[in-house]
Amino acid sequence: AQKVTQAQTEISVVEKEDVTLDCVYETRDTTYYLFWYKQPPSGELVFLIRRNSFDEQNEISGRYSWNFQKSTSSFNFTITASQVVDSAVYFCALISYNQGGKLIFGQGTELSVKP
Amino acid sequence: DVKVTQSSRYLVKRTGEKVFLECVQDMDHENMFWYRQDPGLGLRLIYFSYDVKMKEKGDIPEGYSVSREKKERFSLILESASTNQTSMYLCASRLETMAFFGQGTRLTVV
Repeated sequence: AQKVTQAQTEISVVEKEDVTLDCVYETRDTTYYLFWYKQPPSGELVFLIRRNSFDEQNEISGRYSWNFQKSTSSFNFTITASQVVDSAVYFCALISYNQGGKLIFGQGTELSVKP
Repeated sequence: DVKVTQSSRYLVKRTGEKVFLECVQDMDHENMFWYRQDPGLGLRLIYFSYDVKMKEKGDIPEGYSVSREKKERFSLILESASTNQTSMYLCASRLETMAFFGQGTRLTVV
């Protein structure tokens, strides 16, 4: 069975702090894709990153970085020097084609960045 | 740009009503999905469709049905709305590994 777990329900930080959002996944498949989405207060899901299971290189995009570790089945997301506009709900998700290509989401982490 | 459009942002319906939530995508995607989002539970898959007239149950199909008569349109149907179906509903379409989401419909059943 597939599962995505985001153990942190809510995180509150002060602007300019670094913050890491945790994501742990379960799948028996060797080929899968991992994702992070941002959901601002407007409600629409915004795609942030996609990673396939064969690419464990960490990725950095501006203030965002992602750490993919197959050994611990984790795909963590770090925001450096957080800003108020980063306040949102963040979702980690998984697609595994042996499970019919369903996109399975974690519970989400609500990040609040205070000025 | 891919566009996934949900017919309503907000809906208020009465208990027992039949409710239709409509979703249209403009990129000829074969796969479409309906999720419901509740605080602390994330997005849970209700139904998905991988082609016209084809559908599969997701994790929480009870109380819902779907219709996919045309490729671009995927409808979620609440046969007899209940208060526990008050939620945010999100539609998505998928091309290979990329999913595109609508803006969501916040449904309140009173």
